[in-house]
Amino acid sequence: DAKTTQPTSMDCAEGRAANLPCNHSTISGNEYVYWYRQIHSQGPQYIIHGLKNNETNEMASLIITEDRKSSTLILPHATLRDTAVYYCIYTNAGKSTFGDGTTLTVKP
Amino acid sequence: DSGVTQTPKHLITATGQRVTLRCSPRSGDLSVYWYQQSLDQGLQFLIQYYNGEERAKGNILERFSAQQFPDLHSELNLSSLELGDSALYFCASSVGLSGRDSGANVLTFGAGSRLTVL
Repeated sequence: DAKTTQPTSMDCAEGRAANLPCNHSTISGNEYVYWYRQIHSQGPQYIIHGLKNNETNEMASLIITEDRKSSTLILPHATLRDTAVYYCIYTNAGKSTFGDGTTLTVKP
Repeated sequence: DSGVTQTPKHLITATGQRVTLRCSPRSGDLSVYWYQQSLDQGLQFLIQYYNGEERAKGNILERFSAQQFPDLHSELNLSSLELGDSALYFCASSVGLSGRDSGANVLTFGAGSRLTVL
């Protein structure tokens, strides 16, 4: 199964940038990295995905290292509503496997 | 509203019983995925279907089965229920086929079905 490694938890001050790292050293050259978040027990929500280049959308930015073995999700101005569990995943052999994710707590 | 519809939202049943969870994917999506999320195990991938065919299997118990119908809706059948089957069951859908990852495999999740086995 596709395996990613993320810190268990992180804190961030409201209004500051939140930088969430992910290690995906076994990713193949044509596999995309996807980021999702889950607030309480709601269904996970898609944030962003990328292959090689850095990506930005209205929610976040994604920085992927040149060797593609790790990436960082950046929430530029975290708000209290960004408190959630953040997952980075990639698909291997048809399986989109979620790890334990990072619990991000945004504090006032 | 994500566009992925799951029913029922809540279900309470007894051990040994059988239940069926239903998922309607987002319009235009051909792939359906099922995940189980219990308190101590996070999101566990169960199974994926693409256009009616099984494409990938995760840690799905033999007591569980699923199918995707011609109209693309999917059902997850859970039988001989045990206390440990109590969990949130999420369905997700995507446009494409994960085996050929083209970036078209963004998963859209439903709100989940909460199963309680007493």
